[in-house]
Amino acid sequence: QKEVEQDPGPLSVPEGAIVSLNCTYSNSAFQYFMWYRQYSRKGPELLMYTYSSGNKEDGRFTAQVDKSSKYISLFIRDSQPSDSATYLCAMTIGSERNNNDMRFGAGTRLTVKP
Amino acid sequence: GEEVAQTPKHLVRGEGQKAKLYCAPIKGHSYVFWYQQVLKNEFKFLISFQNENVFDETGMPKERFSAKCLPNSPCSLEIQATKLEDSAVYFCASSQRRQSGGALHFGNGTRLTVT
Repeated sequence: QKEVEQDPGPLSVPEGAIVSLNCTYSNSAFQYFMWYRQYSRKGPELLMYTYSSGNKEDGRFTAQVDKSSKYISLFIRDSQPSDSATYLCAMTIGSERNNNDMRFGAGTRLTVKP
Repeated sequence: GEEVAQTPKHLVRGEGQKAKLYCAPIKGHSYVFWYQQVLKNEFKFLISFQNENVFDETGMPKERFSAKCLPNSPCSLEIQATKLEDSAVYFCASSQRRQSGGALHFGNGTRLTVT
């Protein structure tokens, strides 16, 4: 079993829809949670960065972390065709000893149709 | 600069040839990371640096891969005697803080094709 599970999709929604993207994880030591957006033939771009449980909102994007369920979500409101990309979740422990504990999901490919 | 700059964008090498990839991290970022992404699969960590010092090289295939981050120069990742399975996109990322707890900022990658 992978440490981070993410449905690769593809996910297709009409413009204006609310999009829900999710990841589950198995390691309860993860404390820092990130969402990256990756356009085709580009590097991942950091969208949201959260610490521990709770919600964080930035414009049309809301990130939720539920550590008790080991479940994180990214919501996109009023989705636009420009949101079409692959969305990757990532998480780290925050260890002082280990610099290589970031784990990525496989990425969900999203298409927003006009 | 404000972006992680990777060169070249594309690199084609015959099997057995050498490949060298470059990365200029964001100015002020002390940590540099190299990842390998094969066929849009998950990112595989290769190596990380704190300034010019290797911090973690647990992901490096040491017999053919090497990397450096020298002062006042772009960081580099070199593959001696490339193999077909080295074909991948190689991403460089930089961070102000250690990876643990520090968000990574990625470049656009170098696509290496070994024929």
